[in-house]
Amino acid sequence: AQSVTQPDIHITVSEGASLELRCNYSYGATPYLFWYVQSPGQGLQLLLKYFSGDTLVQGIKGFEAEFKRSQSSFNLRKPSVHWSDAAEYFCAARPSGGYNKLIFGAGTRLAVHP
Amino acid sequence: SQTIHQWPATLVQPVGSPLSLECTVEGTSNPNLYWYRQAAGRGLQLLFYSVGIGQISSEVPQNLSASRPQDRQFILSSKKLLLSDSGFYLCAFSREVNTEAFFGQGTRLTVV
Repeated sequence: AQSVTQPDIHITVSEGASLELRCNYSYGATPYLFWYVQSPGQGLQLLLKYFSGDTLVQGIKGFEAEFKRSQSSFNLRKPSVHWSDAAEYFCAARPSGGYNKLIFGAGTRLAVHP
Repeated sequence: SQTIHQWPATLVQPVGSPLSLECTVEGTSNPNLYWYRQAAGRGLQLLFYSVGIGQISSEVPQNLSASRPQDRQFILSSKKLLLSDSGFYLCAFSREVNTEAFFGQGTRLTVV
């Protein structure tokens, strides 16, 4: 079955430290891939997306993600975390074959220590 | 520019009462529309999606239903709410088949 897995439920980092949030997908072919961020009680905001081409994708707020086909992964990274990055992060995937469903991972809650 | 409106922001309803959550999209035609539910501490579960007026696909058998009476209007309903219907409901749209989805601000539903 098609699925998106985020292995880390909670992650805590110190402000200024680097960050990597993991995401793995299970699809027959490479899907379109997305990362979203959700602040408490709010909707989801798109950070970045991957459709094809360059496997390193730049997004908003200093985030980037790298698509690795061999590992079926699309990990989100940021070189230096700010306290305002504390939020929940969701990886999502959509099959590339014309089907319409967008499937989300369970999310990773990020805490930032001063 | 495209915008999505979802209301109400919060709702407290007694068990057995009906439910109607509304979502409207502006600035685009024939969007793909979605209802998601987010239970406390859990990820997003796709409930319904629609690719056109009157076309609704249900992902999970449950106590809820969805309708799309107009191109840019998507309604989530229930005839009788259960305690387990409590959660954070998010409406979303995408402009084309495989583009990103844009989300509303969500509705916090508490069934008491």
